Amino acid sequence: AQRVTQPEKLLSVFKGAPVELKCNYSYSGSPELFWYVQYSRQRLQLLLRHISRESIKGFTADLNKGETSFHLKKPFAQEEDSAMYYCALSPFGNEKLTFGTGTRLTIIP
Amino acid sequence: DVKVTQSSRYLVKRTGEKVFLECVQDMDHENMFWYRQDPGLGLRLIYFSYDVKMKEKGDIPEGYSVSREKKERFSLILESASTNQTSMYLCASRGDSYTGELFFGEGSRLTVL
Repeated sequence: AQRVTQPEKLLSVFKGAPVELKCNYSYSGSPELFWYVQYSRQRLQLLLRHISRESIKGFTADLNKGETSFHLKKPFAQEEDSAMYYCALSPFGNEKLTFGTGTRLTIIP
Repeated sequence: DVKVTQSSRYLVKRTGEKVFLECVQDMDHENMFWYRQDPGLGLRLIYFSYDVKMKEKGDIPEGYSVSREKKERFSLILESASTNQTSMYLCASRGDSYTGELFFGEGSRLTVL
């Protein structure tokens, strides 16, 4: 069975500093990986996914199969990045999506 | 814009009551999901459905059942609500690819007294 681990429940970063939210997964096959974000009083929404190789709102995430990680990074934090972030995994060919426990990111002005 | 609508934003029920949570999506998606969201526990999958009348248990199905009679509608049923089912319930839908985006509803906050 697949599992997603986000080791940090809370993360505080100063505005302008780099951000890294950690995500590790366990799955024996080739998964698809995602980051979802929930801003205050908004619904949960997709931030980015591995297959798209995009940078969204300055965030990137690289899949490291050797370390089974998909950490989310941004070089310069902005106040509007304060939110709850969830890492998620879909097994190959399976629509089920498993989420981690989430990291609450707070950007300090 | 995909829209996933959950009929009730806030509900208060008593222990033992039967509870229905309704979810409707307007994008003809094959897959629909029910999660519960709890602080420190993240999102946990209760049930999902990959087609009309088809359902599959998620990670925490005990105490819940689901119904999908029409493609656009997916209902979560608590046969006999208990206090440990107090939570935020999120419905989501997705197309037919495992790489696809999940679209979420606004959530239904259920309190069981």
